[in-house]
Amino acid sequence: GAGVSQSPRYKVAKRGQDVALRCDPISGHVSLFWYQQALGQGPEFLTYFQNEAQLDKSGLPSDRFFAERPEGSVSTLKIQRTQQEDSAVYLCASSGPRQYFGPGTRLTVT
Amino acid sequence: RKEVEQDPGPFNVPEGATVAFNCTYSNSASQSFFWYRQDCRKEPKLLMSVYSSGNEDGRFTAQLNRASQYISLLIRDSKLSDSATYLCVVNVLLGNKLVFGAGTILRVKS
Repeated sequence: GAGVSQSPRYKVAKRGQDVALRCDPISGHVSLFWYQQALGQGPEFLTYFQNEAQLDKSGLPSDRFFAERPEGSVSTLKIQRTQQEDSAVYLCASSGPRQYFGPGTRLTVT
Repeated sequence: RKEVEQDPGPFNVPEGATVAFNCTYSNSASQSFFWYRQDCRKEPKLLMSVYSSGNEDGRFTAQLNRASQYISLLIRDSKLSDSATYLCVVNVLLGNKLVFGAGTILRVKS
């Protein structure tokens, strides 16, 4: 399909492990966003790219979180030394005239 | 205080009922406004944009009061398929990050 795709859909990590979450945006979309959604809450902004430039990373909760989009297309969100409080759904959205969300990656840290 | 506040519900209503959700936002510089719908374990999907003049899409009517920083959504003739979480969303800068409320749960029962 032509929508935003994310992988993996589900990830279980032991506390302290590193994880990498991938987002494939809609082809041609310049803007890409990452959000974190905890259970029972709305999505919260993490970071924003325009092409390969990371223009806003104000929402990243700690320096364990790192995002990149080296060629202005696929993006990876990396979380180092995962903690239990990192358990959430991580949503990627790409933006043309409006934001389209991917299905998310559900991360569970045990 | 959260930037976007909503009554979490749940709102339990019978089929055919009319139900209204409200939302307030704190940033007076907010430029665009939306209602998103999120089904259980799915990504948020745009239900409708909200304009100052008010707008309608079938059974759904959205209103914006910039002076009071208040947004509403009215659903008429509720269907079972309307059961979902409704997220109130604002955007401060066009094209930039979305700020979500925590969502209002609607359950429509036969």
